[in-house]
Amino acid sequence: DTEVTQTPKHLVMGMTNKKSLKCEQHMGHRAMYWYKQKAKKPPELMFVYSYEKLSINESVPSRFSPECPNSSLLNLHLHALQPEDSALYLCASSQDRVGLAGGPPQYFGPGTRLTVL
Amino acid sequence: RKEVEQDPGPFNVPEGATVAFNCTYSNSASQSFFWYRQDCRKEPKLLMSVYSSGNEDGRFTAQLNRASQYISLLIRDSKLSDSATYLCVVRGGFGNEKLTFGTGTRLTIIP
Repeated sequence: DTEVTQTPKHLVMGMTNKKSLKCEQHMGHRAMYWYKQKAKKPPELMFVYSYEKLSINESVPSRFSPECPNSSLLNLHLHALQPEDSALYLCASSQDRVGLAGGPPQYFGPGTRLTVL
Repeated sequence: RKEVEQDPGPFNVPEGATVAFNCTYSNSASQSFFWYRQDCRKEPKLLMSVYSSGNEDGRFTAQLNRASQYISLLIRDSKLSDSATYLCVVRGGFGNEKLTFGTGTRLTIIP
């Protein structure tokens, strides 16, 4: 089973709202990722968690705040977003082999389509 | 130079034909290589990993040339359901968890 689930599927929010995106996997993967994808562009990495610790932050604005409560869950807290933040937000997970050559693929959830008004 | 380069297409190919995509990458320390497909408004789905010796999965064949830093994907006997965007994806070197995506190649199979 290579399933990553994400909720909600769609989210519309105003610029003053606070909302959260949720991601869950039960594959025993210890690396989890947040990506942002705009139309007709490839996914852009935002954050990487490895063993529940933030290992990569790709200079993402502080209005995006990730959280990894446990090895199966990943949240993305949103506050004071801008209209240009409207995009598909994808969560992914992979087996973690940091320190070893090569690496496993990542498996993506269906995404949350976010619209900021 | 982009880290991962692909021909954006679009490729419009009749059903049953063979189609090939190419991809080049710039980081010689890259260790892992993948092809993903992405349907419109859906998430990327892993199509296949690419191994040094080349590998095949049904109608799909992937090749890796480390010396030329070049990856290819061949689709034989193409089906209407193969219509999608194909993303070439490269994972960095030792201990690097980051995937780098090509811009994708749009494929449409024509009945």
